[in-house]
Amino acid sequence: DTGVSQNPRHKITKRGQNVTFRCDPISEHNRLYWYRQTLGQGPEFLTYFQNEAQLEKSRLLSDRFSAERPKGSFSTLEIQRTEQGDSAMYLCASSLGDEIYVNTEAFFGQGTRLTVV
Amino acid sequence: GNSVTQMEGPVTLSEEAFLTINCTYTATGYPSLFWYVQYPGEGLQLLLKATKADDKGSNKGFEATYRKETTSFHLEKGSVQVSDSAVYFCALRISDMRFGAGTRLTVKP
Repeated sequence: DTGVSQNPRHKITKRGQNVTFRCDPISEHNRLYWYRQTLGQGPEFLTYFQNEAQLEKSRLLSDRFSAERPKGSFSTLEIQRTEQGDSAMYLCASSLGDEIYVNTEAFFGQGTRLTVV
Repeated sequence: GNSVTQMEGPVTLSEEAFLTINCTYTATGYPSLFWYVQYPGEGLQLLLKATKADDKGSNKGFEATYRKETTSFHLEKGSVQVSDSAVYFCALRISDMRFGAGTRLTVKP
């Protein structure tokens, strides 16, 4: 297993376009997280999944954002009608998620850098 | 809600100086605590962790002790090196994982 993989690594899009990012977690990890990170800030929580179930979604997350994890493996994050303020690094992480693994860390991908022009 | 507050940076030190980066947390329940590091051009990686009160996490000369009474998890290193220059993030986990804003450390030779 090569770790958490994110694609694409970079995306430039015009304002108003839709974009979709993909995350492939570590294979045995049932928990998957999406974060957004802007320059000089820490990762801001967006949402997370336990297997295919989306358990929590940040109140700060616009309804233009949607995430799926249809088979409990890879996940996609879609942003509709992108705005310049969506420009950021989008990070995916995965971890073991059952109660007995509550103390385990999350492993991060390299991120997808989105630039909205 | 659950949150982490970190000492604001940037922090600039000379090589072999002592480092402290403060971190305090607010949580319902009993979180696990983590320090992550992000080197220039690289992704976030775990530096150390502690899972219960009074535990000490350590790695690469860095240490942090889980202090329940002060809700703190301060990062320390006795003698920093130029290669320690990075951004350091404190984080907590109960269900999901929440991060502080990060502290940029620059170590000069």
